[in-house]
Order: sequence, then C-alpha cells, then structure tokens
Amino acid sequence: NAGVTQTPKFQVLKTGQSMTLQCAQDMNHEYMSWYRQDPGMGLRLIHYSVGAGITDQGEVPNGYNVSRSTTEDFPLRLLSAAPSQTSVYFCASRPPLAGSDTQYFGPGTRLTVL
Amino acid sequence: SQKIEQNSEALNIQEGKTATLTCNYTNYSPAYLQWYRQDPGRGPVFLLLIRENEKEKRKERLKVTFDTTLKQSLFHITASQPADSATYLCALGALFSGGYNKLIFGAGTRLAVHP
Repeated sequence: NAGVTQTPKFQVLKTGQSMTLQCAQDMNHEYMSWYRQDPGMGLRLIHYSVGAGITDQGEVPNGYNVSRSTTEDFPLRLLSAAPSQTSVYFCASRPPLAGSDTQYFGPGTRLTVL
Repeated sequence: SQKIEQNSEALNIQEGKTATLTCNYTNYSPAYLQWYRQDPGRGPVFLLLIRENEKEKRKERLKVTFDTTLKQSLFHITASQPADSATYLCALGALFSGGYNKLIFGAGTRLAVHP
C-alpha cells in the first residue's frame, strides 16, 4: 500500500491564482480530511469527508473547496490564492471503525503564495 | 475557547535519559487523546491513543498518562536515543455530530536527544 499520497510536494502561486492540491489513499478509508500547519500553531482542520459524496467544513474552511467523488480521492481547491494561505497542507485518512481513530497523514504540500 | 498547550521551547536531553513532554488543555472534554511524531518535512505519524477512562498507556519505550482532572497528558520516552529527536504533537478528540471524531492539535514540542 502506498498509504496517503499528496501532489505536488511544493507549489508557488501568485495572488489570485487557483489550484488544486491532490490527495489519494489506497487503504479504503471512509474518513478523509485536510489540515493546514503554520509555524507555532497546531494543525487546523480545513474540510473533511465521512464518505464519497459527503463533505463538511472544519475550523478554517474559507477560501477552500473540496469534493469527494470516490473513496480514494479528496482534492482541495484554492479558489483565489491569498498570501494568508501560505502554509503546509496535510491530507489525512482513517477507517470508520469504532475505537480506531488513528489518522494516517500524507507527506504534505508546501504552498507559497506571493 | 478550546485551547491546547504544549511547551513551545525545545526539550534538550542526554541520550539514555527519560524525556517527558506535557500537553495541557482548557475548555475541552476530550473522549481521548493521541500523540503523534513529526519529522522535518514529513507528515505526523501516530504513536499512541489513550481514552478518558484510562490513566496510563504503554508501548515499548513510550508511556502516556491522562489526567482529566488536571486536564493534562504526559508523554514519556524512556532510554531516549538520538533517533527519538523530532517534534511531538498531542491531539484531543471528541465525538461531533455526524459521528466524525474531530481532532484538535497542539502546536507540538521539539525534542532533541544528544549523544
């Protein structure tokens, strides 16, 4: 199993540009989520999904969109990039089993918005 | 508002000693608490989970305690090794509507184990 994969690993955008961060998992996990990590702050939840076709907002959803058309893929879209979105983005997945709350994280995407 | 505090200063210890990291929280009643390890440029990796009705959990050289009265968790690494050097994150989980357990993460504490 490849686990959770993310592409690209690095990205530089100009203010106002849009892009999609890709996330895929091959563990057949129902739950997937996107976090951002900023210096001195904990991981903050952007959006999450409890299964294909079901998404919901996390703590910091503004400026981001998600969709979940398949169990495997959970892309994160930046609609109009802003410097405040400069961050490291992590995708995570976990199985929906009761008592199994371990999250598996991808390697991250480092995004810089100029 | 909910707040999780981990020591922002790096913890420097000598190889072979026990490292103890602290996670404090306020305005929160977690159902469980997790500890993750994060190496530079990598995603967090799950280490241990402890539930609110458990006082202590062990895994090899790792030990976690959870005191819901003090609202604190301690994470211990015994016989520490330079390879244990990393940032350690604590995360609190609670059941939200829809059945999804959202995690709230602390900012992490960097541990440096010196030979």
